[in-house]
Amino acid sequence: AQSVSQHNHHVILSEAASLELGCNYSYGGTVNLFWYVQYPGQHLQLLLKYFSGDPLVKGIKGFEAEFIKSKFSFNLRKPSVQWSDTAEYFCAVNEGTGFQKLVFGTGTRLLVSP
Amino acid sequence: GAVVSQHPSWVICKSGTSVKIECRSLDFQATTMFWYRQFPKQSLMLMATSNEGSKATYEQGVEKDKFLINHASLTLSTLTVTSAHPEDSSFYICSARPDTGKGTQYFGPGTRLLVL
Repeated sequence: AQSVSQHNHHVILSEAASLELGCNYSYGGTVNLFWYVQYPGQHLQLLLKYFSGDPLVKGIKGFEAEFIKSKFSFNLRKPSVQWSDTAEYFCAVNEGTGFQKLVFGTGTRLLVSP
Repeated sequence: GAVVSQHPSWVICKSGTSVKIECRSLDFQATTMFWYRQFPKQSLMLMATSNEGSKATYEQGVEKDKFLINHASLTLSTLTVTSAHPEDSSFYICSARPDTGKGTQYFGPGTRLLVL
């Protein structure tokens, strides 16, 4: 079965610091990859997604992620975080076929101090 | 675009009663919708995949007789928690996958259920 690992459970950064959140998955076939964000008290929102093509994908709010197939990784990055980026970030993967149910990582809680 | 709504946003009920939660895709059609449960400070756990016109597919360990799913149309799926007990108290989230997409799911705001 697929699994998704997010190694950082809690991350604390100061504003303007750079961010990288790790995500690794275990599945050898075709996958679609996603990062979702959940701001405090709000629902999950799609940050970015990768289906095919350029492995470096850009999302909303200055986030980007790089798909490295050989490492089964899809790390999320942002060069300079803001206080408003305080949220929980979830990496998710689905198989490229079938019902395409998402498998979520455990989430990373990011706190950005002003 | 791609908005998913849930109703109610929160509900308190007595033990033994049934609670129905609605999930609607407001601006797209979704043959497939998903129901998740999120425990405090934890990730989302997929409960079942809801398919319009057919029976839902439940994940291992999820009681299908307790969590009844009905996908009545291409924009509406309902989850009924039957004979709710305090251990069913949780945050229930639905998502919908547009029929014209490649697998992106859009999430509703969730329903917080408290069973007394």
